[in-house]
Amino acid sequence: QVTLKESGPALVKPTQTLKLTCTLSGFSLSTSGMRVSWIRQPPGKALEWLARIDWDDDEFYSTSLQTRLTISKDTSKNQVVLTMTNMDPVDTATYYCVRFPGLAAAGDYWGQGTQVTVSS
Amino acid sequence: EIVLTQSPGTLSLSPGDRATLSCRASQSVRSRYIAWYQQKPGQSPRLLIYAASSRATGIPDRFSGSGSGTDFTLNISRLEPEDFAVYYCQQYDNSPWTFGQGTKVEIK
Repeated sequence: QVTLKESGPALVKPTQTLKLTCTLSGFSLSTSGMRVSWIRQPPGKALEWLARIDWDDDEFYSTSLQTRLTISKDTSKNQVVLTMTNMDPVDTATYYCVRFPGLAAAGDYWGQGTQVTVSS
Repeated sequence: EIVLTQSPGTLSLSPGDRATLSCRASQSVRSRYIAWYQQKPGQSPRLLIYAASSRATGIPDRFSGSGSGTDFTLNISRLEPEDFAVYYCQQYDNSPWTFGQGTKVEIK
């Protein structure tokens, strides 16, 4: 059974660094073609793609956020980690991790999302 | 960066109606790399269509996707009560990947 589960702090202060962990189950990010992305959604707004890491360690980032984002993976723990620096209230959102199981595959499994609020 | 523009922003329809949702890209997207997702309040998005026209596992055949180049369409042939939701298109051709701003299908 494929699942993805996001975890991290529910509340961070402005200027702090956010670290989110996505724990994968039922599949491995070391499988050829496998990709995991982070996507966020501010309250009442649209989905925004943030970053992606591939089975071969390639990393890709949102143009507007690339200076603040780092995505990494720990295959032995079956986890993907996203860090976002210099958090601001506009970064308040639900953060999702999503599986893309192949080079031409769309996001077939989504985590439940983790709500992050940025406030002092 | 490819910008996806969805229209209309809101579609007010009745159960049994046909819904036609548009997604226009700022530059050509290879059709294999367009997806449509459905999101209901309080839920994670669900994959409906991938590769522009292929239904994901378990998706009813009243949902269909079409299009090529810069113009893509999601059709829902006969709206069921559970289809009233927000729909997003996504391109996963060129990085950075991008989403449209969404179309809300609401009950008239």
